[in-house]
Amino acid sequence: GAVVSQHPSWVICKSGTSVKIECRSLDFQATTMFWYRQFPKQSLMLMATSNEGSKATYEQGVEKDKFLINHASLTLSTLTVTSAHPEDSSFYICSARDAKTGGLNYGYTFGSGTRLTVV
Amino acid sequence: GIQVEQSPPDLILQEGANSTLRCNFSDSVNNLQWFHQNPWGQLINLFYIPSGTKQNGRLSATTVATERYSLLYISSSQTTDSGVYFCAVEPRDSGYALNFGKGTSLLVTP
Repeated sequence: GAVVSQHPSWVICKSGTSVKIECRSLDFQATTMFWYRQFPKQSLMLMATSNEGSKATYEQGVEKDKFLINHASLTLSTLTVTSAHPEDSSFYICSARDAKTGGLNYGYTFGSGTRLTVV
Repeated sequence: GIQVEQSPPDLILQEGANSTLRCNFSDSVNNLQWFHQNPWGQLINLFYIPSGTKQNGRLSATTVATERYSLLYISSSQTTDSGVYFCAVEPRDSGYALNFGKGTSLLVTP
């Protein structure tokens, strides 16, 4: 149980274009999902908290106009990197936990990540 | 915010050796998890362990919440254990989101 699916696994895009990344909870409902960013050989840094049916909460220093988050249902959150530039190249990972159990026994589950390269 | 410190930052072991990874955190937590990140980036949830001791095969973990630390034990290490091990905590006052340590990079050699 507690599976999170993330797509695509990797994407290469041209500078100036937008890229959408999907995060789905497959066997549970998640009122809240989280988006992280990881640079090579570094830890995961929280970018934003995605709230179902309301606006996302962004961490300090994260541009909300560049990283658009939509949490339209209890099983889907999307992250859109708008007008991507080479410095946006990174590994993006989403996370969620079961809203019913509060993550009891499993805690948070992570997607497989998306490796974005902007050329 | 809460500080999460992991040690050692790097570790090289010969196959068959045992090791202990440590995670110290600076404040009370609701949740603590240990993850293994494989070479493809996937975070594998090893333990959900806000307190107490758990074992899963060659791995075990102990969290002493009152003293704000957790330990991950790897016994009889195998080359497939190589990768980065992260400790992550959910602060008690935030209610959400895991805060990650910087990880321990483990290399197990044949």
